[in-house]
Amino acid sequence: RKEVEQDPGPFNVPEGATVAFNCTYSNSASQSFFWYRQDCRKEPKLLMSVYSSGNEDGRFTAQLNRASQYISLLIRDSKLSDSATYLCVVNTWEKLVFGTGTRLLVSP
Amino acid sequence: DTEVTQTPKHLVMGMTNKKSLKCEQHMGHRAMYWYKQKAKKPPELMFVYSYEKLSINESVPSRFSPECPNSSLLNLHLHALQPEDSALYLCASSQARVNYGYTFGSGTRLTVV
Repeated sequence: RKEVEQDPGPFNVPEGATVAFNCTYSNSASQSFFWYRQDCRKEPKLLMSVYSSGNEDGRFTAQLNRASQYISLLIRDSKLSDSATYLCVVNTWEKLVFGTGTRLLVSP
Repeated sequence: DTEVTQTPKHLVMGMTNKKSLKCEQHMGHRAMYWYKQKAKKPPELMFVYSYEKLSINESVPSRFSPECPNSSLLNLHLHALQPEDSALYLCASSQARVNYGYTFGSGTRLTVV
């Protein structure tokens, strides 16, 4: 079983749609959680940290469920510029472990 | 300065060459990392330096040799690489070893011929 699992997609959505990504992790000792965004042939960029209390940044909402070892990302009112790969990332024993990423394609 | 700078951006090297990748940050971060990313795959951890000391080596072949001359610099020395080592090599830094997201450099795209 992979340490961090994501649906690779792609998710094809129209502009303005709401889209949700999910991620599960296997190590219950994992300590911190993130969503990164990676554009084609670019480096990963931190989108947001994820907390059990949930956190929101504009159109983006992230949630952590430690009991289920489940992480989610919700994007509201999708923009063309949101097209990218979204990486679920887990910090376990001082190492960041990346999921395989979920590709999002937002179309006009 | 909130950036991690990597040089060169592109590198083509032969299998008998020796080359080095360089990474620099001036954010006062005390942990630095090397990741390798193949096409359509997530980044994979290679090395972790904490307070200028190597703390994690993910069983990386010895043809890759990391070096941390000071708290701002991280090098990756390359020697006798194979074509399958061609990849994007990403450097990252963080404030602490846990609980913080990492800042990544733009990477060095390496091609071994």
